[in-house]
Amino acid sequence: KAGVTQTPRYLIKTRGQQVTLSCSPISGHRSVSWYQQTPGQGLQFLFEYFSETQRNKGNFPGRFSGRQFSNSRSEMNVSTLELGDSALYLCASSFGLGVEAFFGQGTRLTVV
Amino acid sequence: GQQLNQSPQSMFIQEGEDVSMNCTSSSIFNTWLWYKQDPGEGPVLLIALYKAGELTSNGRLTAQFGITRKDSFLNISASIPSDVGIYFCAGPLNSGGGADGLTFGKGTHLIIQP
Repeated sequence: KAGVTQTPRYLIKTRGQQVTLSCSPISGHRSVSWYQQTPGQGLQFLFEYFSETQRNKGNFPGRFSGRQFSNSRSEMNVSTLELGDSALYLCASSFGLGVEAFFGQGTRLTVV
Repeated sequence: GQQLNQSPQSMFIQEGEDVSMNCTSSSIFNTWLWYKQDPGEGPVLLIALYKAGELTSNGRLTAQFGITRKDSFLNISASIPSDVGIYFCAGPLNSGGGADGLTFGKGTHLIIQP
């Protein structure tokens, strides 16, 4: 059974641009959550989706948004990129509303 | 939100030694999770705990759900080089449980000295 797949693995963007990251969950998983990981702040929760509905959102500015499609695949978007948005963005999927989350390899975003 | 305090921040050990790390919370959790992250990879789920006092093993790893429900412990016996990495504790943002996202400790960086 394939794991969580995130694309792309690496991305370099310029300040002010926007970016879209993609996540395909484990087959049969309907819950997808996103996290930002930085050396200073660690792993921080961005948002969670279940059946195309956002269930919870972390303490991030409105520039960070996401959505989930009917096939459970999810995307997150960051607009007007800032240098501080450079981070590893991790997606995780869960079976139903279970707590156990299984992570992808992440997308390393560098903003220059 | 819930704060998870994980200690130690880093550990320098010799191959073959046992390792202990712990995590405490400012509020009660119904679930504790332990993850390991290798460089450049996403965290991998090691052990999930669902009941106060529960002791669960996964190979050389053993984790315990503290009786107070505000702490958890992870032990690694007879460490080997592939145990190197960062270990994170995590619990549900909704401390009563449910899939509303996770809160993580800052991690314990395990380094094995030759």
